[in-house]
Amino acid sequence: DSGVTQTPKHLITATGQRVTLRCSPRSGDLSVYWYQQSLDQGLQFLIQYYNGEERAKGNILERFSAQQFPDLHSELNLSSLELGDSALYFCASSVGSGTGGGAGVYDKDTQYFGPGTRLTVL
Amino acid sequence: AQSVTQPDIHITVSEGASLELRCNYSYGATPYLFWYVQSPGQGLQLLLKYFSGDTLVQGIKGFEAEFKRSQSSFNLRKPSVHWSDAAEYFCAGGYQKVTFGTGTKLQVIP
Repeated sequence: DSGVTQTPKHLITATGQRVTLRCSPRSGDLSVYWYQQSLDQGLQFLIQYYNGEERAKGNILERFSAQQFPDLHSELNLSSLELGDSALYFCASSVGSGTGGGAGVYDKDTQYFGPGTRLTVL
Repeated sequence: AQSVTQPDIHITVSEGASLELRCNYSYGATPYLFWYVQSPGQGLQLLLKYFSGDTLVQGIKGFEAEFKRSQSSFNLRKPSVHWSDAAEYFCAGGYQKVTFGTGTKLQVIP
């Protein structure tokens, strides 16, 4: 158990809908990262927040948005859903900001992954 | 483009046999390199990482990886595989952001 929690575990919805995925980081961790894992795209970094501020952006679509709240939990919002958005969405957390020491080179930037939310768009 | 490549999609080894999973990188300079493991239904767990210094890196669960600049490789090894090592293994690399390889699924047969 990494200490990172994600809800819900599974989500089934229809095209065109909007969903919210939630992530609670490990106690004391300030960074939250979101990843998408799909069969055709593999594992892709979406976005990182550090202490409430956006820190780094990856291949996140404009239909997707995220935020990190004062209690450090994070939500990933996916809207106008398409069939191709079906995937496993992971969040990870780390103590540090992930900058200056590369992407997780230093122990404080090691990312701990949650179990994921499996999204199915029908 | 900057990337990491895992040429083997699926590998099967016998329990007790040695294991080597391949990873090649394509970056202008030596990137930071990582190996992660993903067990079925689980998130990713970091096995080991390299950013400088000794080219042989020890990780958790008895794994090690060797950085070879001349071959642009960072292969993962384990001398004796256990059935519990069956999982998917991801090589990753980058600087501020991490790019993941496509993964290698390891099957362990008794």
